Amino acid sequence: DQQVKQNSPSLSVQEGRISILNCDYTNSMFDYFLWYKKYPAEGPTFLISISSIKDKNEDGRFTVFLNKSAKHLSLHIVPSQPGDSAVYFCAASEGNDYKLSFGAGTTVTVRA
Amino acid sequence: GAGVSQSPSNKVTEKGKDVELRCDPISGHTALYWYRQSLGQGLEFLIYFQGNSAPDKSGLPSDRFSAERTGGSVSTLTIQRTQQEDSAVYLCASSPALGRAPDTQYFGPGTRLTVL
Repeated sequence: DQQVKQNSPSLSVQEGRISILNCDYTNSMFDYFLWYKKYPAEGPTFLISISSIKDKNEDGRFTVFLNKSAKHLSLHIVPSQPGDSAVYFCAASEGNDYKLSFGAGTTVTVRA
Repeated sequence: GAGVSQSPSNKVTEKGKDVELRCDPISGHTALYWYRQSLGQGLEFLIYFQGNSAPDKSGLPSDRFSAERTGGSVSTLTIQRTQQEDSAVYLCASSPALGRAPDTQYFGPGTRLTVL
């Protein structure tokens, strides 16, 4: 039973526009959330994270928003660049548990 | 510095054979994780090693799966009597585990296993 869900398997966006990736979770005990980015033939790389005590975290072009009541988080990429074309995974962890629960990923394609 | 490395990058095997997948974590990282990603699925946790503590094996799907970590560094994931449903990308990650969770995990490129 997947506790982290990314319901959009793919997203296409024009260069310079905003990319919005969504993620929903079912485990209310999750208190830390991460986004990973993956290029083909490479492992996922950490992008940005947010603790449940916050509702927003920003790092350059990347912003993650957390809505705990809706058990929903999103990643905004502004402006989108061709190098952002990759698979993005949402992940979550609970308390002192080091294990991460991952979503299935969203493939982002940035069109020139 | 060197990242997490995994070998082989691709492995094709016949159903019923045993396979061994290797992971070299980042030097100095005390925590090591194995995940797998089946087609169309997210990464599924398999096993976690932290220092000299007993590993967390709660994600291993069956007793055909086992893993060990020698000397607190290199890890080997072994799948015995492989089945077609074992076909997936097997990813290893390591983390510094400097304190309480959460902890940023650094992933290797994965081993793509195909069971015919």
